[in-house]
Formats: sequence, C-alpha cells, structure tokens
Amino acid sequence: AQTVTQSQPEMSVQEAETVTLSCTYDTSESDYYLFWYKQPPSRQMILVIRQEAYKQQNATENRFSVNFQKAAKSFSLKISDSQLGDAAMYFCAYRSASTNAGKSTFGDGTTLTVKP
Amino acid sequence: GAVVSQHPSWVICKSGTSVKIECRSLDFQATTMFWYRQFPKQSLMLMATSNEGSKATYEQGVEKDKFLINHASLTLSTLTVTSAHPEDSSFYICSAWETAVLTDTQYFGPGTRLTVL
Repeated sequence: AQTVTQSQPEMSVQEAETVTLSCTYDTSESDYYLFWYKQPPSRQMILVIRQEAYKQQNATENRFSVNFQKAAKSFSLKISDSQLGDAAMYFCAYRSASTNAGKSTFGDGTTLTVKP
Repeated sequence: GAVVSQHPSWVICKSGTSVKIECRSLDFQATTMFWYRQFPKQSLMLMATSNEGSKATYEQGVEKDKFLINHASLTLSTLTVTSAHPEDSSFYICSAWETAVLTDTQYFGPGTRLTVL
C-alpha cells in the first residue's frame, strides 16, 4: 500500500518570503500522480498543484512550484512571496495511475502560518 | 472548474437519530464519488468509495450498516449516518471525479459538520 508522509506538522513564514513544505511517499508503482491541496479555515479543499510522475519537469502554478525527485520519492512544495491568504493546512496526496477515478492517499498535513 | 456541493453544511441531531448528507456534482457527471471523514487538524480519512448503480466499497474498519451510501444517479451520492452517537460528530467531505473528460483532478465538496448531542 502507498503511504504519504509529511514530516512537518507546522511551519511558519514571514509575509513575502519563501517557504518549502516537505512530502515523501512510498510506492512500488512507476506511474502515478502527486498533488498538493490547500485547506483554509473554511475547510474547502483546493487543488494547488499537480504532478504526473512520468513528467520530469517540475510543475509550477504562479507562486507555487514543486521539487519532484522521483528516485528519492520526494515531492516538496515551494511557496514564493508568501501572502497572508496562504495560511492554511496543506496536504500532499498520491494517486495511482493504474485505474481511472481512483482513490487518493493523503499525508497528515502541514499547518502553515504566515506572519505579517 | 467543476463544482461539488454538499447539503447540509452543518447539522445538529440528537443521539439515536439518523442524518442524511447529500453530495452533488453540479456541472458534470460522476460515476465515482468518495466520502471522507476529518477530525480537527487531522488528515482526511477515506470512508468509502461510492459507485453509481452499484454498492459502495467501504474501507477497513468503517461500519457499512452505520454509514449507508447510495449513489443513485450520476450527479448525486448520499451518506446516511444511522443511529448517530456523539462519537460520530465530525466533518464529512465528499469528492468526485469528472468522468466526461478523464482528468486527474478530484473536486471536493465544502464539507458537512455533524454534531451529535
């Protein structure tokens, strides 16, 4: 079974600075998808960024980028120019590509605080 | 983007009663939906996979008779918590995959907060 580990329960960053959230995963599969989700105080889950394992290029979405290291099974999220609205709980998630509409495995989450 | 709604957003009920939570995909069809449970400051715990027109698949440790799931149409799945007890108080989230276009994105509902007195 796949596992996802987020080793940082809490992180804090000064507004306008950069922060990196860590995620490692364990799988024997070669084809899969990785995701970062944001859950603000409203508790609505929001997709931040997605990475296909077969793609070597790291995904980016505006101020959000990932460092995907397939061999190391590492998938970290970098948030640049942090804003107060980035404060939330962030979840890393894994999904196998072997089935369509399959279930995801989530990490335990990292609570990010942004200091003004 | 695709939208998933949940109703109600918050429900309070007495111990021993049953509560139904609806999950709807508003602008797409979803043959598969997922039901999660989340405790404060914890991760999402998958309870079951809801499949349109067939029985739900429950995760290990989830009581099938307590958490009844019905996926009667391509846009609606319901979760009924039967004979609710205070320990069932939690935040329940559903999600759905868009099936018309096989993207790898699941859309989440806004969640339902259940409080059992």
